[in-house]
Amino acid sequence: AQRVTQPEKLLSVFKGAPVELKCNYSYSGSPELFWYVQYSRQRLQLLLRHISRESIKGFTADLNKGETSFHLKKPFAQEEDSAMYYCALSGDGGTSYGKLTFGQGTILTVHP
Amino acid sequence: EAGVAQSPRYKIIEKRQSVAFWCNPISGHATLYWYQQILGQGPKLLIQFQNNGVVDDSQLPKDRFSAERLKGVDSTLKIQPAKLEDSAVYLCASSIRTGLQTQYFGPGTRLLVL
Repeated sequence: AQRVTQPEKLLSVFKGAPVELKCNYSYSGSPELFWYVQYSRQRLQLLLRHISRESIKGFTADLNKGETSFHLKKPFAQEEDSAMYYCALSGDGGTSYGKLTFGQGTILTVHP
Repeated sequence: EAGVAQSPRYKIIEKRQSVAFWCNPISGHATLYWYQQILGQGPKLLIQFQNNGVVDDSQLPKDRFSAERLKGVDSTLKIQPAKLEDSAVYLCASSIRTGLQTQYFGPGTRLLVL
């Protein structure tokens, strides 16, 4: 079974401070990890994915297979980063391939 | 490019009533997903279609939930009869094909069962 845990429901930082949203997963194979974001009054959308190795809006995430983590980081938070962030996992084969399992989400608030 | 469309946006019903949700995916997207998002939780996949065939419905409560995508485009999700615990946001998403493709989400339908 695949499971995603986001230990923080709420995270508050001040503008310009570093931010890290934690994500831990449980999966027996080689998963693909994603971060989705939902801004206020907008749809859920993809922020970044591990396989692309991209930095989107200043955010990066590193897959640590030893610690089974995929934490999302940004060195200098901006007010427009305030949103709900979901970590998601897809399995590497069989019926779990392409099937997303989401964490419970973390609400990030960036104060001015 | 038009996004995923869903209707209605809100629905309030009494328990034991039936309800249906509609989804129109992005044009050309072969894969369609229905998720249930209960307050305070992340989305949970209910059913996944590839064209008009079901790929995965392992988490769909089949005694009361049903879904179809007859022509491989639009889809409907039905609940009959509804229970209090079905109160949630129902999200539809689509992707070009199955696999590690970006999923594009609709605005969701917020259901309240009284």
